[in-house]
Amino acid sequence: TQLLEQSPQFLSIQEGENLTVYCNSSSVFSSLQWYRQEPGEGPVLLVTVVTGGEVKKLKRLTFQFGDARKDSSLHITAAQPGDTGLYLCAGTTDSWGKLQFGAGTQVVVTP
Amino acid sequence: EADIYQTPRYLVIGTGKKITLECSQTMGHDKMYWYQQDPGMELHLIHYSYGVNSTEKGDLSSESTVSRIRTEHFPLTLESARPSHTSQYLCATRPSGGPNIQYFGAGTRLSVL
Repeated sequence: TQLLEQSPQFLSIQEGENLTVYCNSSSVFSSLQWYRQEPGEGPVLLVTVVTGGEVKKLKRLTFQFGDARKDSSLHITAAQPGDTGLYLCAGTTDSWGKLQFGAGTQVVVTP
Repeated sequence: EADIYQTPRYLVIGTGKKITLECSQTMGHDKMYWYQQDPGMELHLIHYSYGVNSTEKGDLSSESTVSRIRTEHFPLTLESARPSHTSQYLCATRPSGGPNIQYFGAGTRLSVL
């Protein structure tokens, strides 16, 4: 059973378009992270959200944590080819540090 | 930026060989993790450690074993590699306290022929 459901699984867009990736669960998370992973590399942390309703912006990326801390979204404005990668959400439900990962959304941005 | 190193980056090996994947970190983090990931898929936790001489199995059953004799070192060993072990293995660390932020190494891509 997948604790964190990510959608869509795959997204292909052209440079300059906007996109949104979703991460949903029936569980409440004390914190949630978004990572980006490129082929053959480890995931790189983009952001951590801890407060329900929190919105964080990182240049063209906007992250939102749901009010009930069960879901999150990642919005990219004016996507660039450098945004291509596997976007993973991961959440912690307990204090012992075991992260639960979603299956990821593969984003491809073509010039 | 976290300093965590995995070696080798790529390994192609025959069935039945014993292998050790190395993971080292220079941040002094107590908590370390091993994940297994197939291409483009989710990460599965296979081992974790909360400090020296502490190791636990993760959510995904694995035939590998780990040890934690020193804080900075968390090697993973497969006594007899099989084709089913072919995967990417990722090591991560986490500082104690605060949100659960894990820093990942670049991974070892293992192919067992």
